[in-house]
Amino acid sequence: AQKVTQAQTEISVVEKEDVTLDCVYETRDTTYYLFWYKQPPSGELVFLIRRNSFDEQNEISGRYSWNFQKSTSSFNFTITASQVVDSAVYFCALSEQGGNNRLAFGKGNQVVVIP
Amino acid sequence: GAVVSQHPSRVICKSGTSVKIECRSLDFQATTMFWYRQFPKKSLMLMATSNEGSKATYEQGVEKDKFLINHASLTLSTLTVTSAHPEDSSFYICSARDLGQGKPYEQYFGPGTRLTVT
Repeated sequence: AQKVTQAQTEISVVEKEDVTLDCVYETRDTTYYLFWYKQPPSGELVFLIRRNSFDEQNEISGRYSWNFQKSTSSFNFTITASQVVDSAVYFCALSEQGGNNRLAFGKGNQVVVIP
Repeated sequence: GAVVSQHPSRVICKSGTSVKIECRSLDFQATTMFWYRQFPKKSLMLMATSNEGSKATYEQGVEKDKFLINHASLTLSTLTVTSAHPEDSSFYICSARDLGQGKPYEQYFGPGTRLTVT
């Protein structure tokens, strides 16, 4: 069984502060994929990043960065210098090769950036 | 590329009626489509997986007769909520997968359909 845990439900930060969203996953597969999605108030899911289980390189994309650590089964996401437009729900998700690549989502982190 | 549309984006129906939601892949052939349900302030819950030309596979706890899924072509899957009740009110999101790209893990999401049953 696959499981994704996002412990923080709602996080409020003041604009320009950094915010880190934690994601811990469980899987028995050796081949799997991890994702982060952003869901703004409009509801549409916006793909942010995909990482496969064999690639532990961290990644930076603009103000976004991701830290993947297999040793702790974590795939954390940091927004640097947050902006009001970052206010959204962020989901971490796991896809197992053995599970027909069905996506299992975490409960999401509601990020509120206060101007 | 990889655009998925849903129609309608928003629908209000009366209790007891049926509602059909369409999910289309606009620029690729979707061999597999997924249907998710999202309650307010909750996560996405996978309802079923539909493969073109075959019966959908439903997740545990999802009523097959209540949520009818048809994937009749490589670009269209439909979800019909039969005899809708207020508790069926939710945000329904579909996603599509193009196995022809050799990326079975890649899912492209539609914009979602907000269903309100009065």
